[in-house]
Amino acid sequence: DAMVIQNPRYQVTQFGKPVTLSCSQTLNHNVMYWYQQKSSQAPKLLFHYYDKDFNNEADTPDNFQSRRPNTSFCFLDIRSPGLGDAAMYLCATSREPPGLSYEQYFGPGTRLTVT
Amino acid sequence: KNQVEQSPQSLIILEGKNCTLQCNYTVSPFSNLRWYKQDTGRGPVSLTIMTFSENTKSNGRYTATLDADTKQSSLHITASQLSDSASYICVVSARVTGGFKTIFGAGTRLFVKA
Repeated sequence: DAMVIQNPRYQVTQFGKPVTLSCSQTLNHNVMYWYQQKSSQAPKLLFHYYDKDFNNEADTPDNFQSRRPNTSFCFLDIRSPGLGDAAMYLCATSREPPGLSYEQYFGPGTRLTVT
Repeated sequence: KNQVEQSPQSLIILEGKNCTLQCNYTVSPFSNLRWYKQDTGRGPVSLTIMTFSENTKSNGRYTATLDADTKQSSLHITASQLSDSASYICVVSARVTGGFKTIFGAGTRLFVKA
């Protein structure tokens, strides 16, 4: 059974047109993460939520925002997508932060194309 | 500077052969080290997690080792299968004031040929 679900799996948007990617989890985990992964590169952490507390990485552009309305759902909003934002976006969850050695579960990812 | 370096960058082996992937890190203070397998177009899947006190951990045909003194880890794959073709990513976490820091390696791309 899918534990971390991402929708849609593929998303095409136009340059500058806002887009929202969604993630849901059935694990009741406290922490939800958003990563950006470009071709042949390692995933790059954009931000994470620890319960309702939002933690932004220092180098995440302001163009990227996130919302977590409840434990199960987390959204990634890209306000004005540029061509450089085309990537795979991965959602992940863990019971506690990875510094505490808890398992981290990734979703299948959403492949974003910007035209 | 916190870094995780993996080698080789890519590797081609024949089905049934064994292989070993390397991970060297300078992340400090060390909390744990994880190996993930990522199939093309999929999210990473955890293979092993090791803390400071653990020096080996197995998951089926995958065995990870950790030498916290030399800050090196390896992932050994036994009797490789075609389905082992994937990227293998080493991730090191550190507990820091106010939270944590997670550093991803660039990964090793493994190709298993029939």
